[in-house]
Amino acid sequence: QKEVEQDPGPLSVPEGAIVSLNCTYSNSAFQYFMWYRQYSRKGPELLMYTYSSGNKEDGRFTAQVDKSSKYISLFIRDSQPSDSATYLCAMKSIQGAQKLVFGQGTRLTINP
Amino acid sequence: NAGVTQTPKFRILKIGQSMTLQCTQDMNHNYMYWYRQDPGMGLKLIYYSVGAGITDKGEVPNGYNVSRSTTEDFPLRLELAAPSQTSVYFCASSYSIWTQETQYFGPGTRLLVL
Repeated sequence: QKEVEQDPGPLSVPEGAIVSLNCTYSNSAFQYFMWYRQYSRKGPELLMYTYSSGNKEDGRFTAQVDKSSKYISLFIRDSQPSDSATYLCAMKSIQGAQKLVFGQGTRLTINP
Repeated sequence: NAGVTQTPKFRILKIGQSMTLQCTQDMNHNYMYWYRQDPGMGLKLIYYSVGAGITDKGEVPNGYNVSRSTTEDFPLRLELAAPSQTSVYFCASSYSIWTQETQYFGPGTRLLVL
């Protein structure tokens, strides 16, 4: 079983739709949860960061963490064509060398 | 600041050839990382370094070597290229590995081994 599971998609939605991206994980030691956005032929860039359980909002983006279910989500409201990218969840524990563990990434396309 | 830079952007290698992927950061970050990304897969850690002279293996280190002689540079060496090493390679850096410190990624090197 992979430590982090993410539906690779692809996911295609119309402009203005609400998008929900999800990851599940198996390692209960994970405490830090991140979402990276990766445009085509570019390196990933940090989009959202959350510590432990709860919600975090930044503009049109909301990150949710449910540690009891080992499930994290990223919601994008009023989606724009510029949101078209691959979204990678990543997480790390507080112990050891704190290496990031990434999901497979979900390719998202927002259609005008 | 240029951030994290990588060279070359693209390279074709023949089986058995060797090459070095270059990575430089100008943010004075202590921690540097090498990842590979295969199609439809997330990033897998190859090697990382916590400072000049200190490196350690990640999840998929076989077939690769690294060195860290300066804070700025973290080259990745492929000694005997194999088709399984066809991938996109990303270098990243961070000020520390603690808590919320983000990793900054370079633009990647696309490697094709034929």
